[in-house]
Amino acid sequence: AQSVTQPDIHITVSEGASLELRCNYSYGATPYLFWYVQSPGQGLQLLLKYFSGDTLVQGIKGFEAEFKRSQSSFNLRKPSVHWSDAAEYFCAVAKYNNNDMRFGAGTRLTVKP
Amino acid sequence: DTEVTQTPKHLVMGMTNKKSLKCEQHMGHRAMYWYKQKAKKPPELMFVYSYEKLSINESVPSRFSPECPNSSLLNLHLHALQPEDSALYLCASSLREGGGTDTQYFGPGTRLTVL
Repeated sequence: AQSVTQPDIHITVSEGASLELRCNYSYGATPYLFWYVQSPGQGLQLLLKYFSGDTLVQGIKGFEAEFKRSQSSFNLRKPSVHWSDAAEYFCAVAKYNNNDMRFGAGTRLTVKP
Repeated sequence: DTEVTQTPKHLVMGMTNKKSLKCEQHMGHRAMYWYKQKAKKPPELMFVYSYEKLSINESVPSRFSPECPNSSLLNLHLHALQPEDSALYLCASSLREGGGTDTQYFGPGTRLTVL
C-alpha cells in the first residue's frame, strides 16, 4: 500500500523567509501526489498536485513542489512566506487507479512576524 | 463552483443518541468520501461511494452507517457512539472513483463530540 512520511512535525519561519516542507512517499508505481493545506477547524484545500509530466508543479498561493523520483520526494516550497500561510500542511499519495488517498502526518507551520 | 457543504458544523451527542451528518455537492461528482480526523492527526478514509454504491469500507465499526441517497447527497448515520469517536468528520467528492487524476474537494467538516 502507498504511504507518505512528513519528517517535520512543526516548522517556524519568519514572515518573508523562504519555506520548504518535506514529503517522502512509498509506492511501487508512479504515484499521484498532492499537497493540501488546512487552517484550524477547517476542511482541506488543495494547493497542487502531480500526476505526470513536468516535475516542477505550480500551485495556488505562490506554492510550488518538485517531484524527484530518485529520492521518492515531493517537497513543497514557497519563496516568501506570508503570515496567512500559518496552517497545517498535508502531503498525500494516491494510486493511479483509485482515489484511495493516504495522508502524511502533517507539518504545522508557524509564521513569526 | 467547487463547494462541498456539510451540516451541522458542530454536533454534541450522548452515547445512546442517534444522529446524522449530511454532505452535499452540486458539481456533478460521482464519487463521495467520508474521512475521520482526530486532533493533530491526518484524515483517515472511512468510506467511498462511487455512483451511489458503497465502494470502499475501511473496516469501520457498524455504529457508523453511510448512505448515499442520490448523486449529490451523502449521509453518515451515527448510533451508539463512543467518546473516542469524537473527531472532525470530513466529506469530500471527486469527479469519479478510479480516476486518480481527479481532485478530491473537501467540505469544512462536522466537529463531533460524544459525551
